[in-house]
This record gives sequence, structure tokens and C-alpha cells, in this order.
Amino acid sequence: GEDVEQSLFLSVREGDSSVINCTYTDSSSTYLYWYKQEPGAGLQLLTYIFSNMDMKQDQRLTVLLNKKDKHLSLRIADTQTGDSAIYFCAEKGDSSYKLIFGSGTRLLVRP
Amino acid sequence: ETGVTQSPTHLIKTRGQQVTLRCSSQSGHNTVSWYQQALGQGPQFIFQYYREEENGRGNFPPRFSGLQFPNYSSELNVNALELDDSALYLCASSLGVGALPSGYTFGSGTRLTVV
Repeated sequence: GEDVEQSLFLSVREGDSSVINCTYTDSSSTYLYWYKQEPGAGLQLLTYIFSNMDMKQDQRLTVLLNKKDKHLSLRIADTQTGDSAIYFCAEKGDSSYKLIFGSGTRLLVRP
Repeated sequence: ETGVTQSPTHLIKTRGQQVTLRCSSQSGHNTVSWYQQALGQGPQFIFQYYREEENGRGNFPPRFSGLQFPNYSSELNVNALELDDSALYLCASSLGVGALPSGYTFGSGTRLTVV
């Protein structure tokens, strides 16, 4: 079946690194995504990784993929108060037309 | 280049009523997907329209229906509203059903409250 799980909440101090974790069950996932949602807003694509990669870096964001354990993580370096939001992990299979989302991790950045 | 526009932004309906939500896809996009996001949950796929035809459907009852028009805009209709239908409804457009992740654009959503 298809299932994506995330921890519900993470609190960090401004300037520290944040690591948000996600596990998924669909071994045919082709793309794995991280979306950000701020209050009252839609979803903003932060970054994504193709399933044949194990790491992707994009400025302050680092995505790690462990395909064997079906584990995905998002590391945000030098976390800022503007990074406070809900972060969703999502996956999509090669022949799939839909995204499967986790329940989201609420990141709170303390000054 | 305009993004995805959804209307209305907020809506309050009474249980048993019907509602229509609208989505204008991004210029050049021919595929629209609808998602339901209940409070505290991740978005759940409702259905997708490609070139005016339903291309796939999630685990939602038939009272959730949709349309896509020749200009690729789309409507989501929900009949016989239930309290559990209260959610943020998100529309996403893309060019084709197999679009790359960077080509999938979400609107800001319609917040539906059923009382």
C-alpha cells in the first residue's frame, strides 16, 4: 500500500540546523518531494529528489534518501524564523498520477 | 505568467447543501488535480483531469465530482455536504500527467466550512 509518515512537531533555535524525517512504503516511488505550507497558504515546492539519487543539496537545503530503508530527510541549515511552517513529505510513482502526502511536520523556530 | 487561481478563498455551507469550487490553471497547463486537506492532515488526492477527461480518482465517494473546460480551468462539485467535508481544497495544475515535480503548481486553496 501507499503510506507516508512524518513526526508531528519539531522545535529548534534560530541558527541551528533542522532535520525533518519521513518514511514511505511504496518501493516504486520515482520522485520524493518536500513541500512547505505557511499559514493560510497553498503548498510551495521546496525541493525534490529522484529515486536513483541518495543526496541532493540546494543552498540551505539537503535531502538524504535511503531507499533500502525507505527513509527521506530534509536538513535545513542555519534555520531562520521565516522557516517556521508545516513541511510535507510526498511521493509519486513513475506511472502514478497522484502525490501521496504525509501528515506534515510543524517546524517552530525560536528566536 | 499567471499561477493557479482558486475561488472563492473561503466558503461556509450548511450540511446537505451543494458547493462548487473553481480553479484556473496556470497558463500553458492542461492537467488539473484536486486535493482535500483536512485540518492537521496532509492533502489527499481527489481526482485529476487531463484534456477534459477524468484521468484518475482517489478514495472519495461519487458525490465528489468534477469538470474540466476547454480552457483547462476546472470545477470541483460536492453534493450533500457533510460536516467532515470541512477542509482546505487545493488545486494543482501541470503540463501533462507525468509532469516533473518543478512543473506542478498549487493554488492557495479554498477553505470550506460545513456547519
